Amino acid sequence: DTGVSQNPRHKITKRGQNVTFRCDPISEHNRLYWYRQTLGQGPEFLTYFQNEAQLEKSRLLSDRFSAERPKGSFSTLEIQRTEQGDSAMYLCASSLVQTGGGEQYFGPGTRLTVT
Amino acid sequence: GQNIDQPTEMTATEGAIVQINCTYQTSGFNGLFWYQQHAGEAPTFLSYNVLDGLEEKGRFSSFLSRSKGYSYLLLKELQMKDSASYLCAVFYGNNRLAFGKGNQVVVIP
Repeated sequence: DTGVSQNPRHKITKRGQNVTFRCDPISEHNRLYWYRQTLGQGPEFLTYFQNEAQLEKSRLLSDRFSAERPKGSFSTLEIQRTEQGDSAMYLCASSLVQTGGGEQYFGPGTRLTVT
Repeated sequence: GQNIDQPTEMTATEGAIVQINCTYQTSGFNGLFWYQQHAGEAPTFLSYNVLDGLEEKGRFSSFLSRSKGYSYLLLKELQMKDSASYLCAVFYGNNRLAFGKGNQVVVIP
């Protein structure tokens, strides 16, 4: 299967710890997005990359959050000094600029629980 | 900012037709997308509209009126597996999707 993959699928951490998530997009896709989703809400945009360049960040993304896509392939999202409010599902999606970018393929997500 | 409004929940009978509405207010509009999300799973793309009118795709159809800021998703011949949340999303600025909260559809026998 060559869909979007994310690791880990679940992460439980204590408040104040740092966590890092990984996303492997569909190989030929040049755009990669990170979203956060809480129960009963739709996904909220966090940031996106075109190839290795991070082109936009949401105001939701505090300075505790950082994302990278070093070689334009996989991406990592790091949260430093986690807080209980960071508990959510973190979704990664990829798309092709050439098809407009709105048709996005999502990974299964990483569910973060901060205790 | 983007403002997207959807009803929260509806129940329908297997074999029926259900219409899920979405209204939006946005700047830099570049398309209206519909995604399906089963509980505990990732969203999956269903359909999109860029121009006004109806797009049909098997049992699913989607309609857009840009002047009214309105779209709907029509699900025909409902099946039990269609029980899911249906997310309306506006593509704007050529680079991002803004999602609504989703409409939970419950299909009963």
